Amino acid sequence: QKEVEQNSGPLSVPEGAIASLNCTYSDRVSQSFFWYRQYSGKSPELIMSIYSNGDKEDGRFTAQLNKASQYVSLLIRDSQPSDSATYLCAVRETSGSRLTFGEGTQLTVNP
Amino acid sequence: DTGVSQDPRHKITKRGQNVTFRCDPISEHNRLYWYRQTLGQGPEFLTYFQNEAQLEKSRLLSDRFSAERPKGSFSTLEIQRTEQGDSAMYLCASSLEWVRTSSYEQYFGPGTRLTVT
Repeated sequence: QKEVEQNSGPLSVPEGAIASLNCTYSDRVSQSFFWYRQYSGKSPELIMSIYSNGDKEDGRFTAQLNKASQYVSLLIRDSQPSDSATYLCAVRETSGSRLTFGEGTQLTVNP
Repeated sequence: DTGVSQDPRHKITKRGQNVTFRCDPISEHNRLYWYRQTLGQGPEFLTYFQNEAQLEKSRLLSDRFSAERPKGSFSTLEIQRTEQGDSAMYLCASSLEWVRTSSYEQYFGPGTRLTVT
């Protein structure tokens, strides 16, 4: 079983819709969770971090964390074509420093 | 620009040659990380430093790979006797973490794309 799994893509949504990206992780001691956006040929860009159960909102982005279910998600409201990218979920353990990434979900927002 | 910088951005080398990459972290950050990313995969951790101390190395980091951060500022990653399987994007990230830190955010540089022919 992979340590961090993301919903298989690619995901395609129309402009203005809500895009929902999901991620599950296997290590119960994980405490810190991150979403990165990566445009083709570019490096990952941090867009959200979440450490506590519940929702965290930042503009059009909402991260949701449920540690009991070992599940973290990212919602993108009012999706724009510029949101088209690969979204990477990353998890960090309490005792360590490394990030473990999922394979990413490719999102396409159609005008 | 106060972000993480990496040099070179692209490197093409022949199999068997040695290559060295440089990373300059965000100036106040004390932790520096190296990751490797191949097409269609998420980044994979290689190693990290806190100041000048190398605190963790992945099993991915074979003995052909060596990393240094001699003065706790910039870091270098050297690959000796390169192989075609080393072709990847090498990413550097940095973070600011102390005993009572509440943020563990890592910020990535633009990466160095290595092609081994």
